[in-house]
Amino acid sequence: DVKVTQSSRYLVKRTGEKVFLECVQDMDHENMFWYRQDPGLGLRLIYFSYDVKMKEKGDIPEGYSVSREKKERFSLILESASTNQTSMYLCASSFDGIQETQYFGPGTRLLVL
Amino acid sequence: QQQVKQSPQSLIVQKGGISIINCAYENTAFDYFPWYQQFPGKGPALLIAIRPDVSEKKEGRFTISFNKSAKQFSLHIMDSQPGDSATYFCAASYSGNTPLVFGKGTRLSVIA
Repeated sequence: DVKVTQSSRYLVKRTGEKVFLECVQDMDHENMFWYRQDPGLGLRLIYFSYDVKMKEKGDIPEGYSVSREKKERFSLILESASTNQTSMYLCASSFDGIQETQYFGPGTRLLVL
Repeated sequence: QQQVKQSPQSLIVQKGGISIINCAYENTAFDYFPWYQQFPGKGPALLIAIRPDVSEKKEGRFTISFNKSAKQFSLHIMDSQPGDSATYFCAASYSGNTPLVFGKGTRLSVIA
């Protein structure tokens, strides 16, 4: 079974803090993605990566950065958390070829106070 | 051009009824149309997908209907069950290194 794990299910942070969200997949997938999910707005792509040390901006990259030092791990970084970044964050991975099935983690619900 | 418009936003269906969720797109380069299902507290998971060389694909109680000329595709859930209660996302992508474009989701509630 494909497994995508996210470091935390729930996280509470203060405005201005630096926040790290970690995602690990165990299927040797080349592609990894970070989304945020908000009611009424669906899934919005923040960043994605096709390979180690590579990254591409998605639809809403502002206020975020990513790191992919190892193939199985993709980190989302909020450099200075703000209240409008309170959201559900979902990580996904897939084999090479964007039309491959994306496998999602369970999500991290982040609250920024 | 990159948007996928999904409707309705929420849907309540009686047990045993048919649930229908619709999506429309503008970009004629899209050539892959998956549907993802998300249960509360879980990440989305692929439910069924279609490519535009066919007009319909059926897997059990779930059917995708695809209308290339109208640039629309829809998910039909036959004999809807309470266990189908979830959020459904349509998506689209095109060949090459492009990620999925998701619709905004439909929250389906199947009531007994």
